[in-house]
Amino acid sequence: SQTIHQWPATLVQPVGSPLSLECTVEGTSNPNLYWYRQAAGRGLQLLFYSVGIGQISSEVPQNLSASRPQDRQFILSSKKLLLSDSGFYLCAWSVNINSPLHFGNGTRLTVT
Amino acid sequence: GQQLNQSPQSMFIQEGEDVSMNCTSSSIFNTWLWYKQDPGEGPVLLIALYKAGELTSNGRLTAQFGITRKDSFLNISASIPSDVGIYFCAGQTTGANNLFFGTGTRLTVIP
Repeated sequence: SQTIHQWPATLVQPVGSPLSLECTVEGTSNPNLYWYRQAAGRGLQLLFYSVGIGQISSEVPQNLSASRPQDRQFILSSKKLLLSDSGFYLCAWSVNINSPLHFGNGTRLTVT
Repeated sequence: GQQLNQSPQSMFIQEGEDVSMNCTSSSIFNTWLWYKQDPGEGPVLLIALYKAGELTSNGRLTAQFGITRKDSFLNISASIPSDVGIYFCAGQTTGANNLFFGTGTRLTVIP
């Protein structure tokens, strides 16, 4: 069966520091991968999605970037964090663009 | 993008009661999905609906894909304390970036 791993679970970083959140999927090949941000327990906002290695689409202009160095690995990064980057970040995968998404357990990021 | 109106925003119910929530949109969707999110965790897929009029159950949960393809509802029968959480609907069209989420219904079950 397929599983999705996301880490770390929580992270506290100072303003101006870099960020790297990692997500990996097991048990499937060539999944679609997604990064979402959720504010205050609601409102899932799509940040990035990828349909293949090296293919990244960005949905909103922001201080973050994403990369997909391997088929089942998706990384969310920032060179310099802002206070407004605080939030709950969720990675998700799907079999294809018309299939339901399956989410990881999220990373709670606090920028201080 | 498309807007999904999910209601109610929150519910407080007694254990054992039935729950009903719904999602409406001005746009047509090919798929309706219902997720549940526990505090501090990611949303978990409960039910997926693929055809207009489809009625699908998953244990005490029942969801329907509206005939107009612009709405869906989720019912929970005989609620229990572990039903507490936020329930999200999501409508899916074709193509990339095709999934749109409702704003969630926060359910509280009073023992």
